[in-house]
Amino acid sequence: GAVVSQHPSRVICKSGTSVKIECRSLDFQATTMFWYRQFPKKSLMLMATSNEGSKATYEQGVEKDKFLINHASLTLSTLTVTSAHPEDSSFYICSANRDYEQYFGPGTRLTVT
Amino acid sequence: QQQVKQSPQSLIVQKGGISIINCAYENTAFDYFPWYQQFPGKGPALLIAIRPDVSEKKEGRFTISFNKSAKQFSLHIMDSQPGDSATYFCAATQSGFQKLVFGTGTRLLVSP
Repeated sequence: GAVVSQHPSRVICKSGTSVKIECRSLDFQATTMFWYRQFPKKSLMLMATSNEGSKATYEQGVEKDKFLINHASLTLSTLTVTSAHPEDSSFYICSANRDYEQYFGPGTRLTVT
Repeated sequence: QQQVKQSPQSLIVQKGGISIINCAYENTAFDYFPWYQQFPGKGPALLIAIRPDVSEKKEGRFTISFNKSAKQFSLHIMDSQPGDSATYFCAATQSGFQKLVFGTGTRLLVSP
């Protein structure tokens, strides 16, 4: 099957610091990965589309300078939350495309204190 | 037009019963409709998916029914089990476009 991993699974950081979340496709290459944010008991909200070797495409209302995305290889995309604030606390999930199907990582719980 | 409407918001089914979750879409360009299962604190897992060239797809206890003219599709979980208790999301996308449009989710509880 298609396996997508995320690291870390949980992270707590202080307000004003930056935190990096990694998303890896373990058994396939993904030219496109996606980053989502999910609030409690809500649906997934697409933040950006990450394309290998090019700039990410951000959804309307998502601050590209706050949520930095780097897709440096066919198996790795990173999301860096810069100058984090408590309102950035959320569940962040990545996904990777293989053929027409999208496979999700296990998610990263970010808590900003 | 990009919305996918999902109902019900929550559902309680007795063990052994049939769980039915419905979704409706507006964009006729959508041509791929996956269902995802999500347990608390975990990422969504692809459950089953369908394309509009078929009206039904079955995988084990899970069946998708698709009505192209009504622009509706539904997930049926036969012989529902307590382990099926999770949140289910329908989604839609255009092949090649890749971005998924998600429904609002249905929290299913299967009582023992």
